[in-house]
Amino acid sequence: NAGVTQTPKFQVLKTGQSMTLQCAQDMNHEYMSWYRQDPGMGLRLIHYSVGAGITDQGEVPNGYNVSRSTTEDFPLRLLSAAPSQTSVYFCASSPYRDYQPQHFGDGTRLSIL
Amino acid sequence: GIQVEQSPPDLILQEGANSTLRCNFSDSVNNLQWFHQNPWGQLINLFYIPSGTKQNGRLSATTVATERYSLLYISSSQTTDSGVYFCAVDPNAGGTSYGKLTFGQGTILTVHP
Repeated sequence: NAGVTQTPKFQVLKTGQSMTLQCAQDMNHEYMSWYRQDPGMGLRLIHYSVGAGITDQGEVPNGYNVSRSTTEDFPLRLLSAAPSQTSVYFCASSPYRDYQPQHFGDGTRLSIL
Repeated sequence: GIQVEQSPPDLILQEGANSTLRCNFSDSVNNLQWFHQNPWGQLINLFYIPSGTKQNGRLSATTVATERYSLLYISSSQTTDSGVYFCAVDPNAGGTSYGKLTFGQGTILTVHP
């Protein structure tokens, strides 16, 4: 049982490049979400999903796309990277049951030059 | 949206000391969680506590939902307690979070030997 797995752990991009941050969970959780953490700040919600085929925007969705084709995977896509997207990205999951905590991956540290 | 304020922003302790961290939120919540982010950046869920009191070893938490605050107590602190402590809330009705948490800015705790 690996929990929530994020890849890659580190990435450097040039402005305008695209990439996909991967997130996979093996706990059969219905809910998955992406957050970004900037220096000295708490996490902010980018996008979330309540199940396969269902996604919605969070607080800071601009510049990011998501899809959820399976219960296990929830990739985050940057279509045209900008320096303002330099951040640490966390993926989280939780089950469709009341009073269940969120499980977080170890994060992806992304730098946009 | 809901506002989450944590205090103090920074806390420095000697090993063995006790501490209290506070989280105030601006609206009714049905989901409140405390997280510890260790020096390696990993987020660990400490408590899921929308109301009442819970204890886990040297840590305990109390949420007074009617007065919109939560407290995290750390007793007999150890150097491994160092890191950032986050409070996160979801005002969604019922106990289910849907993975949509709003985080406070955190309390940076440093415990010296």
